[in-house]
Formats: sequence, structure tokens, C-alpha cells
Amino acid sequence: QKEVEQDPGPLSVPEGAIVSLNCTYSNSAFQYFMWYRQYSRKGPELLMYTYSSGNKEDGRFTAQVDKSSKYISLFIRDSQPSDSATYLCASVNAGNMLTFGGGTRLMVKP
Amino acid sequence: DTEVTQTPKHLVMGMTNKKSLKCEQHMGHRAMYWYKQKAKKPPELMFVYSYEKLSINESVPSRFSPECPNSSLLNLHLHALQPEDSALYLCASSQEGSENIQYFGAGTRLSVL
Repeated sequence: QKEVEQDPGPLSVPEGAIVSLNCTYSNSAFQYFMWYRQYSRKGPELLMYTYSSGNKEDGRFTAQVDKSSKYISLFIRDSQPSDSATYLCASVNAGNMLTFGGGTRLMVKP
Repeated sequence: DTEVTQTPKHLVMGMTNKKSLKCEQHMGHRAMYWYKQKAKKPPELMFVYSYEKLSINESVPSRFSPECPNSSLLNLHLHALQPEDSALYLCASSQEGSENIQYFGAGTRLSVL
């Protein structure tokens, strides 16, 4: 079993929709949770990170962590075609190394 | 500024060539990383440098040779690569005490013929 699991998609939504991207993880010791956005043929860009459980909001983006169910979510409000990318969730293992989910490809159609 | 700069952006090399990938950051980060990313897969960690010393080598073949000349620079020397080594090579860096918050460069897209 992978430590961080993510539905690969693709997820296709119309412009303006609310997008929900999700990951599950298996390691109870994970404390930090990150979301990266990666456009085609580019490096991952750090979008948000959260520590432990709770919500964090930044503009149209909200990251949510539920440690009781080992569930990580990223919500995108008023989605735009420019949000079309692959979204990678990640957490940090005991060696302080990033453990990535497989990534979800999102397509926002005008 | 959270910029990690990688050069070249694209590289095509034959299996007998020797080439180098370069990575630079001026954020004062003391940890730097090399990752390999195949299409539609997440990045896979190759090497970690901490305070200019190699701290992690994820069982990478010796045809990949990392080098950290100073705290701002990271190189990856390539020799006798195989076609299956074709991938996007990503460099990242992180601040001391915040190793989990890594900033990535745009990557070098490598094709081995």
C-alpha cells in the first residue's frame, strides 16, 4: 500500500465550478501536508501547506486535513481554465522526506 | 523570492555522452534535492544534500553523480545513460528546520537516444 493515495483523474469540470481534490494517507505520524500544482512540462509549484488537522484558506484555495480519517482535501472555488494542471498532495515521512501522491489531473473547461 | 533555477531546460544526449545538469538557488537554503519524474508519475527522490554534504542517496545508479560545489549550487553529472533515464529532472531546495517545505525548479527535460 502506498503511503499517500490519490485518484489520478482526469477530473473535468466547467469554468466556475467548485473543485474538490482528495488524498488519503496511511502513516499516522504524518504532520505536515502539502499541495503542489504542476503544469505540463513544468516543475511542481507549492500551493499550500498545513500542519496537523484543520483548514487553511488562501484566496480561491482551501486546504483541509482530517487526521482522524487520514484524509487531505484541496478545494478550488470559482475554478478557471488556468487552474488546469496536475495537483500533487504530499506529506513528510519520519526522515523529513516528501512522500507524494500520484497526482490528479484537473481540466477546467471554458 | 522562492526561485530555483535549472539549466538547461532541455537536453538531448547519446548513451556515450557526458553532460551536466545545473541548479541554483539564492534563498539561503541549506538543503538541496534531485528528483526524477517520469510522465504521469510523481517525482522520485534521488539525492539529498544538507550543508553541502550528501546525506541521502536513494540507491541511484552510479551513472548519475551529484555534486554540491557550494551552498547555492547543485550539479548532476550524467555519463553512459540509458534510454530509460529519459525523464524530467527536478531540483528543489528547503530551509533549515523546514525541510518539508521544498521549492522546486522548472526542471530539465532529458532525452537519451
